[in-house]
Amino acid sequence: GENVEQHPSTLSVQEGDSAVIKCTYSDSASNYFPWYKQELGKRPQLIIDIRSNVGEKKDQRIAVTLNKTAKHFSLHITETQPEDSAVYFCAASAGGYQKVTFGTGTKLQVIP
Amino acid sequence: EAGVAQSPRYKIIEKRQSVAFWCNPISGHATLYWYQQILGQGPKLLIQFQNNGVVDDSQLPKDRFSAERLKGVDSTLKIQPAKLEDSAVYLCASSAEGRGHTQYFGPGTRLTVL
Repeated sequence: GENVEQHPSTLSVQEGDSAVIKCTYSDSASNYFPWYKQELGKRPQLIIDIRSNVGEKKDQRIAVTLNKTAKHFSLHITETQPEDSAVYFCAASAGGYQKVTFGTGTKLQVIP
Repeated sequence: EAGVAQSPRYKIIEKRQSVAFWCNPISGHATLYWYQQILGQGPKLLIQFQNNGVVDDSQLPKDRFSAERLKGVDSTLKIQPAKLEDSAVYLCASSAEGRGHTQYFGPGTRLTVL
């Protein structure tokens, strides 16, 4: 089955700096890669996603890049703000039934 | 549109007791997922329904966990008997066919087994 590895497990940045979270996946058939943000005690919420026919996608301060050859994808947050502090999960999905495998999460702390 | 609803939000039971969780997906969503999220870890898929059929239950501990989706809408997840290691947040999510793979999560049920 699919295996998704995520690094780092914790990340502290100064407000205004950039943050990068990296994930690798094992199943070359994976074709959909969502990123979720989970604040303490709350549900995961989709913040951005990318499909395998696209190399990069950007939404305001958030961008995701995908390297299919190397089987890795990354989340980039620019101009970080304290409200960006949360746990971020990457995920990979393959197959017709949309099964999603999550990474282990990255706890991001933005220091004011 | 209304979100995914779950109940109860919190449950405390003793080991060997039984417990059931309920989920109501977003109206019209064909795919429903149950995840187990242990503190500090990512969500782990327990079972996935497409309408009222199971398409993946490979990580469901079938000796104690069971789930059903009535008429392809609401779903219940049951644990019988519960163990200490079942303490976790149980998340329900749903997604719509034809809208890609975006999953919308419910608020979760926090289960504590004493």
